[in-house]
Amino acid sequence: GDSVTQMEGPVTLSEEAFLTINCTYTATGYPSLFWYVQYPGEGLQLLLKATKADDKGSNKGFEATYRKETTSFHLEKGSVQVSDSAVYFCALSDGTGNQFYFGTGTSLTVIP
Amino acid sequence: DAGITQSPRHKVTETGTPVTLRCHQTENHRYMYWYRQDPGHGLRLIHYSYGVKDTDKGEVSDGYSVSRSKTEDFLLTLESATSSQTSVYFCAISGGTLRTEQFFGPGTRLTVL
Repeated sequence: GDSVTQMEGPVTLSEEAFLTINCTYTATGYPSLFWYVQYPGEGLQLLLKATKADDKGSNKGFEATYRKETTSFHLEKGSVQVSDSAVYFCALSDGTGNQFYFGTGTSLTVIP
Repeated sequence: DAGITQSPRHKVTETGTPVTLRCHQTENHRYMYWYRQDPGHGLRLIHYSYGVKDTDKGEVSDGYSVSRSKTEDFLLTLESATSSQTSVYFCAISGGTLRTEQFFGPGTRLTVL
């Protein structure tokens, strides 16, 4: 079945460092891919999405490119801030659009 | 922000008691979902609904039931709560098309003593 695998954390970076969180997926159809962010005590918020191969999603300085050849959707940011400290989830929706699969989340802490 | 509310936001109950959590949306989305979030497990789907009175099981449905009598409300019931059901519960909604994301509620923290 469909699934998502993302790198385990926790990840600790200094402010202004480069961030990469790896995400790979398995899907039988043509999924859409998402990154969500969860701040402490809150629900998940959509960070960015890509709906077809080679699409690049971007938001708030974060980017991820839908790579069908490597079945990957890695999250990147060139210069992290303390306010980026959160848990990040990679997710996909299957070919029907109504089933979603989430990775286990990667905790990021950015220190000043 | 998508209009999704959950109630209660926090609840402490005792083993063996029934508990009902409510999710309410104002977006008129067709699909609604209940997840639980536990350390080390990420999000796990409990049940979902694809329309009024239409529901289906997720990967961790044992011990839970759901009902959807109106488009805007999706109820999750623990018939007889157990300590293993201590968790944070999230409701989500989706338009149901391929390019549509899920929107999440703020969560309910449930503690079963």
